[in-house]
Amino acid sequence: NAGVTQTPKFRVLKTGQSMTLLCAQDMNHEYMYWYRQDPGMGLRLIHYSVGEGTTAKGEVPDGYNVSRLKKQNFLLGLESAAPSQTSVYFCASSFTGIEQYFGPGTRLTVT
Amino acid sequence: AQSVTQPDIHITVSEGASLELRCNYSYGATPYLFWYVQSPGQGLQLLLKYFSGDTLVQGIKGFEAEFKRSQSSFNLRKPSVHWSDAAEYFCAVGGGETGNQFYFGTGTSLTVIP
Repeated sequence: NAGVTQTPKFRVLKTGQSMTLLCAQDMNHEYMYWYRQDPGMGLRLIHYSVGEGTTAKGEVPDGYNVSRLKKQNFLLGLESAAPSQTSVYFCASSFTGIEQYFGPGTRLTVT
Repeated sequence: AQSVTQPDIHITVSEGASLELRCNYSYGATPYLFWYVQSPGQGLQLLLKYFSGDTLVQGIKGFEAEFKRSQSSFNLRKPSVHWSDAAEYFCAVGGGETGNQFYFGTGTSLTVIP
């Protein structure tokens, strides 16, 4: 039981490039979330999903897209990366939509 | 709008001393409240949660928190801090009537000195 895993762990992008972050969970959780963590700002919710095939916007969705084609995976996409998207990205999942289990994070730098 | 405030950015305590980390929230009803801990380079781990009932909740690693509705607070406490408690601590509100969204405080960094 690996819990919540995130791929990749680190990535450097140039402005304008695109990439996809993968979150996978093996706990059969319905709910999944993407957060970004910036110094002095805590975690902010980007997008979330309440089940396979569903997605919804969180607090800071602009510049990101997500997909939940399979229950165990939640993908976060950046179509045209900007330096303001330099951050640490955390994925989380939840069975009840209340208690969340977090992945180890992806550190993204956009130059 | 929901919000969470952690007024202390950084706290330093001596090993063996007691600890209290403050958290205040803004919400129209009784929310679900959480404390998470984050060690350097790691994800967040749930310490404890409050949904309803007894306002003093016990968590892992010897931590406890008390919900005070009149003060809109959910402070985290530990009677005797260990060096391994040095980490970043986040208070959060979410679930329940906030829908599926969660709101985190900006975190309190704890340093433990021997």
